[in-house]
Amino acid sequence: SQQGEEDPQALSIQEGENATMNCSYKTSINNLQWYRQNSGRGLVHLILIRSNEREKHSGRLRVTLDTSKKSSSLLITASRAADTASYFCATDATGNTPLVFGKGTRLSVIA
Amino acid sequence: DTGVSQDPRHKITKRGQNVTFRCDPISEHNRLYWYRQTLGQGPEFLTYFQNEAQLEKSRLLSDRFSAERPKGSFSTLEIQRTEQGDSAMYLCASSPPTGRGLAQYFGPGTRLLVL
Repeated sequence: SQQGEEDPQALSIQEGENATMNCSYKTSINNLQWYRQNSGRGLVHLILIRSNEREKHSGRLRVTLDTSKKSSSLLITASRAADTASYFCATDATGNTPLVFGKGTRLSVIA
Repeated sequence: DTGVSQDPRHKITKRGQNVTFRCDPISEHNRLYWYRQTLGQGPEFLTYFQNEAQLEKSRLLSDRFSAERPKGSFSTLEIQRTEQGDSAMYLCASSPPTGRGLAQYFGPGTRLLVL
């Protein structure tokens, strides 16, 4: 079963704008990861945040984690058309265990 | 190393036939995972291995499904007597030993269509 729920399900923005996606989960975690999937392809790991971290940056990506609310957000700044993809959050209960994915957010960046 | 590879990339089969998929993980990764993804959904866990040992199987993995990783390197996933509901993308991922990273690295997937 899927634990994470991403919000919104779909998001359409203009190139150069920021995109924010949210994820909620149900049980305790060791870490939370965000992945990107281009249409019909495999998933690419973007960023990982551990349960004892609150915020993490990687290039144009910023992830926050609030374990008290069991939620995370992914911010993509200065979006590009190439960012068009589905974005999934995934939780790892104890570390190096099977991931539990949400249903994803479909992001469209219009040039 | 070019990452996780899967073969075939696409498979069309008739209901009732058996199919087998192969996954080659990143060479130094000792954990290997199988997931299934249907249209509009996130991947769902099927099973995973640490070296050659199969550590966990999901309830999604009915008795028609079997997975092996005989030498702790590549893995195969076999579906016997396929059903139309088996149509999905089958994804393989691998991850390094404990202490060397928590991210999983995914292959391109095998898309199965059961007619």
